[in-house]
Amino acid sequence: HSALTQTASVSASPGQSITISCTGTSSDIGTYDLVSWYQQLPDKAPKLIIYEVKKRPSGVSNRFSGSKSGNTASLTISGLQADDEADYYCSSFVGGSTFVIFGGGTKLTVL
Amino acid sequence: EVQLLESGGGLIQPGGSLRLSCEVSGFRFSNYAMNWVRRTPANGLEWVSGITGGGVGTYYTDSVKGRFTISRDNSKSTLFLQMDSLRAEDTALYYCVRGRPRGDFDYWGQGTLVTVSS
Repeated sequence: HSALTQTASVSASPGQSITISCTGTSSDIGTYDLVSWYQQLPDKAPKLIIYEVKKRPSGVSNRFSGSKSGNTASLTISGLQADDEADYYCSSFVGGSTFVIFGGGTKLTVL
Repeated sequence: EVQLLESGGGLIQPGGSLRLSCEVSGFRFSNYAMNWVRRTPANGLEWVSGITGGGVGTYYTDSVKGRFTISRDNSKSTLFLQMDSLRAEDTALYYCVRGRPRGDFDYWGQGTLVTVSS
């Protein structure tokens, strides 16, 4: 399994909405509704913000939402805030000896 | 409060060995699979290895099979990663991570840095 594909960077202004895409194949995202998204703030550990495509862990803002179509998953952040500036990673369960694959990460800059 | 505290990283020459540890608190350790995930500047996040709650099942990404060994001591709520025959490409920040059955990771440590260089 190859890594999932994410846009390297995205930028937007406070209050706007952005969507980060994560493209896989029919062997990973296309097969399993087990896509997760992680937010990594500067010098912090990654934090789970979306699991099973669109579920939010307790305490995560409803400004974060997830979806999937075919082999591509998406993370939408609405009402951007300055403290949303972070790296965002997608992942997909693939099973077998590989277990989980990640995307390369998307750096979000809030202008 | 859930806490995961990694240790054992450092600078090591190619071919050398390191043993990472992760002390866990705040949940019943033996009830959860645990994993090591690493982050590199070039490749971002990569799942490295996982172990079932009881320690019987162990899993590895292909690039570390035969070189890394994951283990756990449930009596001490501690996770380990024995890393042998280290290579430059193993240089990364290694995170101790709690896993869930459907492939997501809900708690992460702060990471321990491993640098493989001569």
